[in-house]
Amino acid sequence: GENVEQHPSTLSVQEGDSAVIKCTYSDSASNYFPWYKQELGKRPQLIIDIRSNVGEKKDQRIAVTLNKTAKHFSLHITETQPEDSAVYFCAAPLTGKLIFGQGTTLQVKP
Amino acid sequence: SAVISQKPSRDICQRGTSLTIQCQVDSQVTMMFWYRQQPGQSLTLIATANQGSEATYESGFVIDKFPISRPNLTFSTLTVSNMSPEDSSIYLCSVGTGAVYQETQYFGPGTRLLVL
Repeated sequence: GENVEQHPSTLSVQEGDSAVIKCTYSDSASNYFPWYKQELGKRPQLIIDIRSNVGEKKDQRIAVTLNKTAKHFSLHITETQPEDSAVYFCAAPLTGKLIFGQGTTLQVKP
Repeated sequence: SAVISQKPSRDICQRGTSLTIQCQVDSQVTMMFWYRQQPGQSLTLIATANQGSEATYESGFVIDKFPISRPNLTFSTLTVSNMSPEDSSIYLCSVGTGAVYQETQYFGPGTRLLVL
């Protein structure tokens, strides 16, 4: 069925460490994979996205990798900072809509 | 990206009443989307609103409860009708700005609704 699984649900790292969040999707036809960051009380904000014709995309400290064969994609945050603390959502398209993962609460401890 | 505003930003309503939420975009967009986000939860799509046609509702959401208007390419409204405490949630509109309309979505600031 329509499903995007996201893990872990919570992640706590020390400032400066790396954080990795992984999502798996069910529809092999999916070809666009965004990541959103939602700070407390704020709107979800698109931070990076990747299309199925590339395996990796980087933007400063964040990167997304895609494995189409295994149907999973991951968000990598390097040199984490306290301002990276937020809820992160992955998503994948299915029949004209985005299906969102359940979210990962990232806590970066100073 | 698009600049999206929503009104009201929050409201407290009595059960049995209705609330209309407005979503305004600073540019013309083909598709607008309405989501619900319950506290601590993910985003659930309510419906997709296309200008000039009826909205397409997701499973579990019906037009009588959540009527949607899309009078032009920059504006949409969502009404939450005959509210109950279970409707307490954050309601978000979004717009798709990619070549494929559901892609590259940007969200409005949300409307926090509390039903007593």
